[in-house]
Amino acid sequence: DTAVSQTPKYLVTQMGNDKSIKCEQNLGHDTMYWYKQDSKKFLKIMFSYNNKELIINETVPNRFSPKSPDKAHLNLHINSLELGDSAVYFCASSQVRGAYEQYFGPGTRLTVT
Amino acid sequence: GDSVTQMEGPVTLSEEAFLTINCTYTATGYPSLFWYVQYPGEGLQLLLKATKADDKGSNKGFEATYRKETTSFHLEKGSVQVSDSAVYFCALSDLGFGNEKLTFGTGTRLTIIP
Repeated sequence: DTAVSQTPKYLVTQMGNDKSIKCEQNLGHDTMYWYKQDSKKFLKIMFSYNNKELIINETVPNRFSPKSPDKAHLNLHINSLELGDSAVYFCASSQVRGAYEQYFGPGTRLTVT
Repeated sequence: GDSVTQMEGPVTLSEEAFLTINCTYTATGYPSLFWYVQYPGEGLQLLLKATKADDKGSNKGFEATYRKETTSFHLEKGSVQVSDSAVYFCALSDLGFGNEKLTFGTGTRLTIIP
């Protein structure tokens, strides 16, 4: 009964490749987020969606494209991967837009070689 | 813009020691404040929260009080256990200005030794 799930858990790929990370939440929440956590554990928001509508886009390179087919899913596609994209990517959700509490997935560790 | 400053880690304590992790913030509106915890290999979990000045959030023996006068939200626990070893993040959400994201501090790694 995982609340927020992500696949894959680990992703190792070469520079220049295109990859996707999938996120699903079964909490019935309206809002979903993508965060990037770097090697020093610093956590920064990338995107948020509310009912499939993009709400926040935090100066993320165009190579990153989120897609929300429905409010329970928010996928992250990354084109032309670079070494600096190596990080842990977390998906999160909250009950409504602007809700105080966010629920995080287990993370996807992306390694670009 | 909004920001959160946490004490530098790592922090290493013996079991049953008293814990304080300092957190101060800067915000333009009236933020809600949070502590999240990340156990090894896992995602973040909400530990406690406070939504207005003088509120005290508490959970699992941890406490933090929202101090508007000092713009602080320090995390405390009276007697830590080995199972408390994790990374702790202070965060704020400043909804009053339409800023619906969480702004995190840099995290503090806590290690408790038996």
